[in-house]
Order: sequence, then structure tokens, then C-alpha cells
Amino acid sequence: DGGITQSPKYLFRKEGQNVTLSCEQNLNHDAMYWYRQDPGQGLRLIYYSQIVNDFQKGDIAEGYSVSREKKESFPLTVTSAQKNPTAFYLCASTQGQGEAFFGQGTRLTVV
Amino acid sequence: AQKITQTQPGMFVQEKEAVTLDCTYDTSDQSYGLFWYKQPSSGEMIFLIYQGSYDEQNATEGRYSLNFQKARKSANLVISASQLGDSAMYFCAMRVRENYGGATNKLIFGTGTLLAVQP
Repeated sequence: DGGITQSPKYLFRKEGQNVTLSCEQNLNHDAMYWYRQDPGQGLRLIYYSQIVNDFQKGDIAEGYSVSREKKESFPLTVTSAQKNPTAFYLCASTQGQGEAFFGQGTRLTVV
Repeated sequence: AQKITQTQPGMFVQEKEAVTLDCTYDTSDQSYGLFWYKQPSSGEMIFLIYQGSYDEQNATEGRYSLNFQKARKSANLVISASQLGDSAMYFCAMRVRENYGGATNKLIFGTGTLLAVQP
């Protein structure tokens, strides 16, 4: 079945560590997105990418980095520069005018 | 600036009644798309309905309809005959085109409305 897979589902990070969240899609979608969601809040755009080897900063890119070396993969690294990384992270993909498909999300907690 | 605004943080509705969730948007683009998503407590995002900026008819999908008023830049979601399973967070989203040398689709979301359906 086609879809988006995010891993891990839960992630714990010590302060000062970098961590990488995985996002893989087998929908052959061109565009991919990363969002951050805080409790009771909306989705805020971190980074997005339309094609391989190209990506754009969203509204809250500081402290995050991404790569798009393959069409199906769009990993997100939460760096030590992100001072408040505890949140729910959602990855999505779209193709043309169609709706976004989402992964199941990763809950990141700083311990 | 491109923006989605949902002014209702929370809503209550009685089971079997209809409810309208408000969404206004701001963009200078002529071509854009509007979406509604449902997010239950599990966190998954469920696509509900889509309206294109050039669509003249309001979109409908089962119990969901989108009241699209282009001149007012509003795209309200109407849920008819509410069910207990409709209790969830609802997000309005907009897809716009950005040109920066290349061109890409950007998908932005509102802050959401938490709907509680009461028996």
C-alpha cells in the first residue's frame, strides 16, 4: 500500500543532541513538507521541498535542517540550536493539485 | 502575506445537529486550493474535503460541505448530522504557489478548531 512512513513514533533527546526524524513516501509525490505541532496548536511549517536537491525554509526553520537527496525521502534534523524541540512532528507529501498525505507523526521529547 | 485564520478555538454541537467551522484566508494568488482536515486524539491527519479557487460549485463529500465565498475569502466547513465520532480537531489549509527561481507548492494551516459533539 502506498503511503508515508515516519519513524520513530517516539523519540527522546538529551539537551545538546542532534536527532534525525525519518520520512519516507512511496506515493511518487514531488512535494514534501515538515510541520511542527505543539499541544492544542495548529501546524507550523518548518521546511518544504518540491524537487530533489531543493528545499525552502518555512515559518519556523531556525534550529532545523533537512535534505532531499532522493524523491521518496525527506529527513528532518533537529539540531541543538532548537531551544524548545519538544513537539509532535508531521511529515506530508503532495502531488500537483491534490490533497496532502500525512505520516503518523513523531513525538519528540527532550529529557 | 499568505495566511489562514480560524477564529473558533473550540465549538460544542449536539449530536445530529449541523455545525459550521469558520475559515478565512489571505492570498494574492489567483490559483490556490483550500482543504479541511480532521485530527482525532490519535494525531493522524484525515483529509475531508477540497475546494479549488476556480471551482464555481461548493465542494461536498458525504456529510461535509465547504461553503466557499471567494469575494469574502472564506471557506467554512459545514458538518451535517453530527456524530460522536466527529469530536476532533479540525484544520483549514491552503495551497499556494511560490516562485523563487523555481516554483513550488506551499501548504499552510490554520490554528484549528476543537469540536466536541455532545450526546
